[in-house]
Amino acid sequence: ETGVTQTPRHLVMGMTNKKSLKCEQHLGHNAMYWYKQSAKKPLELMFVYSLEERVENNSVPSRFSPECPNSSHLFLHLHTLQPEDSALYLCASSSGSGRRYGYTFGSGTRLTVV
Amino acid sequence: AQSVTQLGSHVSVSEGALVLLRCNYSSSVPPYLFWYVQYPNQGLQLLLKYTTGATLVKGINGFEAEFKKSETSFHLTKPSAHMSDAAEYFCAVSSLVSNYKLTFGKGTLLTVNP
Repeated sequence: ETGVTQTPRHLVMGMTNKKSLKCEQHLGHNAMYWYKQSAKKPLELMFVYSLEERVENNSVPSRFSPECPNSSHLFLHLHTLQPEDSALYLCASSSGSGRRYGYTFGSGTRLTVV
Repeated sequence: AQSVTQLGSHVSVSEGALVLLRCNYSSSVPPYLFWYVQYPNQGLQLLLKYTTGATLVKGINGFEAEFKKSETSFHLTKPSAHMSDAAEYFCAVSSLVSNYKLTFGKGTLLTVNP
C-alpha cells in the first residue's frame, strides 16, 4: 500500500462505546496528525506527533485520546463521545516540517455518534 | 495568530470559463501558503504551495496561484474549468510558532456547469 491509509472508512458508535481509529503511513514521514473536519467549520488540528514536538489542541476533550507507537502508525481512541463529535476525522503525515512542506492526507474516517 | 479567509463559500462557473478562488491571509511575516483540493468522500490533496522564490506557483491539474505580499493574498486560478474540477478547495497558511501546524480556511465549493 502507498500513501496514508485510514481505517475504518465509516464508523457508527453509541455514546457509551469505545472505539479506535487507525492511521498508517507508508511514506517514510516522521510526523503525523489528526484533524477534525466538521461541516461549515475550518479543519481543526487535534494532535501532532513528531520526533521533536507533540502538540495537543487544548480545546480537544479528553474523550479523544491519541496514541503514536512509532513513526508509521497513529491511533485515535474514542470513548463516551457526544453527537457533536460526529465528523470526518482526517489523518495526515509530513516529512519534516509540515508548515514548510505541507501534509499528505488519508481519506478519512466518517464518524457518526448516535 | 495566523488566519485565512476564503471569500465565497460557493463558486459556480461554466465549463471552459476562468476559475478564480480567493484566499487572503493574516500573518506578521510572509508565511508558507498552500492550496488543497478535496473530492467527495476523500481526503485533501495538495494542489500547490508557496514557500520562497517565484511568487507565481504552478500546481497540478492546470492550477496556479500568485503570492501577493502587498495584498496578503494567494488566489487560485485556472484558465479553463473542467467538469472534473468540481470539488472543495482549501487555502492554508503556516504557523509561526509551530514547525508542524497549518491553519486552514473554511473552504470554497466549486461547481462546474456544463
